[in-house]
Formats: sequence, structure tokens, C-alpha cells
Amino acid sequence: SQQGEEDPQALSIQEGENATMNCSYKTSINNLQWYRQNSGRGLVHLILIRSNEREKHSGRLRVTLDTSKKSSSLLITASRAADTASYFCATGSLETSGSRLTFGEGTQLTVNP
Amino acid sequence: NAGVTQTPKFQVLKTGQSMTLQCAQDMNHEYMSWYRQDPGMGLRLIHYSVGAGITDQGEVPNGYNVSRSTTEDFPLRLLSAAPSQTSVYFCASSYWTGRSTEAFFGQGTRLTVV
Repeated sequence: SQQGEEDPQALSIQEGENATMNCSYKTSINNLQWYRQNSGRGLVHLILIRSNEREKHSGRLRVTLDTSKKSSSLLITASRAADTASYFCATGSLETSGSRLTFGEGTQLTVNP
Repeated sequence: NAGVTQTPKFQVLKTGQSMTLQCAQDMNHEYMSWYRQDPGMGLRLIHYSVGAGITDQGEVPNGYNVSRSTTEDFPLRLLSAAPSQTSVYFCASSYWTGRSTEAFFGQGTRLTVV
């Protein structure tokens, strides 16, 4: 199975609720990144967390990283309809200093108005 | 500042035809890569380059060639298109070692092979 597996595959919530997506991976990493992809568009970088960090915040986003469990979570607080998109985690490999990314299959988030 | 520019946005090929997908970046990034994205799946790495004159294979390199003669350009060539290569292709660039590894993506090329 792929490095960087997201869970759940699909998530549907109401506007204003929080959305939590999880990512698990298998190998040692330099960093873990989260990207958003709107339908039919390219990927947009959201946040990067390095392997020696445990938590990071950026606006309404909160990312945690547990290297002992090889897992990460992305929390989007006070969700908006505009947050509807696919969210991918990507791990940067240790041997390439984090530049070579391996993507998971993504979580499709739908935020209902 | 254009970022990462991919052309064309859409392409239809017949089986056996060849073509080149263009990718250019103006951020002086050392690292460039090509991914394909199939329905319901994440991105899979085709080829990547850590600098001009250096390329290497990713997860799914068969049927594709790349070259990196300049820092700015990283074209992807389909040698003999097959229906299995129908996909959306993304080019990305980022800094290499010692700097932020946030990747910047192009808008994608939707390729259909009939």
C-alpha cells in the first residue's frame, strides 16, 4: 500500500464544524506536508511539519505529527463551504532531505452550507 | 512571477503517438518532478531531477523520458502513448537540500490516449 495513507477517504460535515483528517506512513521521513486540491485544479501547499516538530498551526489549520506512531492529523477548525476539496498528505523522504514526496490517496472533504 | 507553468492544459493522443509535456519554473528551484494522478488516487512520481543534467526514476517511470538541460525546464516525453497513460499530469518544483521543501505545482495537463 502507498506511503501516506489518509483516513477517512471521504468526510462530509456542516459549515462551522471541525474537520479532522489522518495520515499514516511507513518509512522514516524528513517532513510531512499537507496539500489541498480543488476539483480539476493543481495542488496547493497548506502546511509543512518537520520530523522534529510535534504540532504546527497556520490560521484555521492545526497539524500534529507523531513519529513514534508514524501518523499525522490535519484539523480544520470552523470549516467553510470553500474548504470543500481533496486533501493529501505527502511525506518527504529522509534520504532525499525531504524533497522527494510520496503522496497518499487523499481525503475528499465536503463542507455543506 | 509565474511559478510553475505547464503546457498544454489538455491533449488527446492516438495510441502510438509521441508527445512532450512542457514544464517551466522561474523560482530557481533545483528540484523538479513529474507526477500522474489517476481517478480516486493520489499522485505517483514518474521522474524527478535534483538539478540540471541529473534525472532519476520515480515509482512509475516506464513509457516516459525526461531531460533537464536547464534549471528552468523539465519536459516529460511520452515515447509511444498507450491508453494506460490517460491521466492528469502534474509538474512540481521545490528547493533541494538545506531549504524549505514546500513544493509548487503546475495546474496540470489532462491527457487522453484513445
